[in-house]
Amino acid sequence: NAGVTQTPKFRVLKTGQSMTLLCAQDMNHEYMYWYRQDPGMGLRLIHYSVGEGTTAKGEVPDGYNVSRLKKQNFLLGLESAAPSQTSVYFCASSYGGLTYEQYFGPGTRLTVT
Amino acid sequence: GIQVEQSPPDLILQEGANSTLRCNFSDSVNNLQWFHQNPWGQLINLFYIPSGTKQNGRLSATTVATERYSLLYISSSQTTDSGVYFCAVTVMNTGFQKLVFGTGTRLLVSP
Repeated sequence: NAGVTQTPKFRVLKTGQSMTLLCAQDMNHEYMYWYRQDPGMGLRLIHYSVGEGTTAKGEVPDGYNVSRLKKQNFLLGLESAAPSQTSVYFCASSYGGLTYEQYFGPGTRLTVT
Repeated sequence: GIQVEQSPPDLILQEGANSTLRCNFSDSVNNLQWFHQNPWGQLINLFYIPSGTKQNGRLSATTVATERYSLLYISSSQTTDSGVYFCAVTVMNTGFQKLVFGTGTRLLVSP
């Protein structure tokens, strides 16, 4: 039981490049989330999904897109990376929303130069 | 919006010591979770504890929702307990729920 996994663990991008972060969970959770963690600002919700085929915007969705084609996977895309997107990105999942325990992936450290 | 404050902000312990971390929140909440972020950045869910007391090994937590606080107890601390401890509450934002994380307590356990 791997829990929540994320790939890649580290990435350096140049401004304007694109990339996709992959999150996978093997707990059959319906809900999945993408957060970013910045120093002094805690974790902020980017996008979330309440089930396969659904996505919704969180607090800071601009500059990101997401897809949930399969229940176990939640992809976060950056179409044109900007230095302001330098951050640590965490994926999380839960059985039934934020009133249930959240399980986090190990994080992806992204630097945009 | 809701404010979630943790104390102390920093804590240094000798291995084997006990400690209590506090989380205060400014409004009523339906649930509260405690997380440990280890030195490698991994966020680990310790407790889901909207009210009452739970124990898991050397760790235990108590939430008194009516008084808007939660406590995390660490007994017989070990170096692997080092890291940052966050409490988080769920609030309703415009159209979606979100977790509001506390300010964190940075713990260093020295051998």
